[in-house]
Amino acid sequence: KNQVEQSPQSLIILEGKNCTLQCNYTVSPFSNLRWYKQDTGRGPVSLTIMTFSENTKSNGRYTATLDADTKQSSLHITASQLSDSASYICVVSASEGNNRLAFGKGNQVVVIP
Amino acid sequence: GAGVSQSPSNKVTEKGKDVELRCDPISGHTALYWYRQSLGQGLEFLIYFQGNSAPDKSGLPSDRFSAERTGGSVSTLTIQRTQQEDSAVYLCASSYRTSAYNEQFFGPGTRLTVL
Repeated sequence: KNQVEQSPQSLIILEGKNCTLQCNYTVSPFSNLRWYKQDTGRGPVSLTIMTFSENTKSNGRYTATLDADTKQSSLHITASQLSDSASYICVVSASEGNNRLAFGKGNQVVVIP
Repeated sequence: GAGVSQSPSNKVTEKGKDVELRCDPISGHTALYWYRQSLGQGLEFLIYFQGNSAPDKSGLPSDRFSAERTGGSVSTLTIQRTQQEDSAVYLCASSYRTSAYNEQFFGPGTRLTVL
């Protein structure tokens, strides 16, 4: 069973609208959680990182939340733009091991005009 | 500065052929990772190098896969006797050090298609 589950698998939203992506994880012991954005044909790029003690982190129009008790995170995109069309990958790092990361399968977001 | 680069960007090969994929990490990064990304799947860890330590090969799917890192910098991932199920995007990442907080910076990937 994958240690990081993301939902919805894909969604289509109108330009200017908001959307929220969900990530549930079972990785333990937990160190940090990152949201990556992966444009088509590109490698993933980190948007936010949150540790156990942080419950929200913003990067421009992207706001990530973390509930370490329920092991859930969300990524909220505000006032979406066409350039937000991408896969958003939730990545969880354990506090042990060689920085081995657990990857979700990603949320595929398509923003249409 | 320059990011992680990978070559070739695309590779089409025939079943049974060997392929070599190259990764140039960010200068000064001691940790280097190879991942495989199949369609509709999350990234799959393959192998990890840290400095002069023995690599962590635990993610390699079969003995047809191997990787080396020369001089602590450039890395090559080799797939021998390619199979159709090897078709995927192969991503390389590097980080400054090995710790759970060090961001891994990814290259653009090599898209491998095995016919």
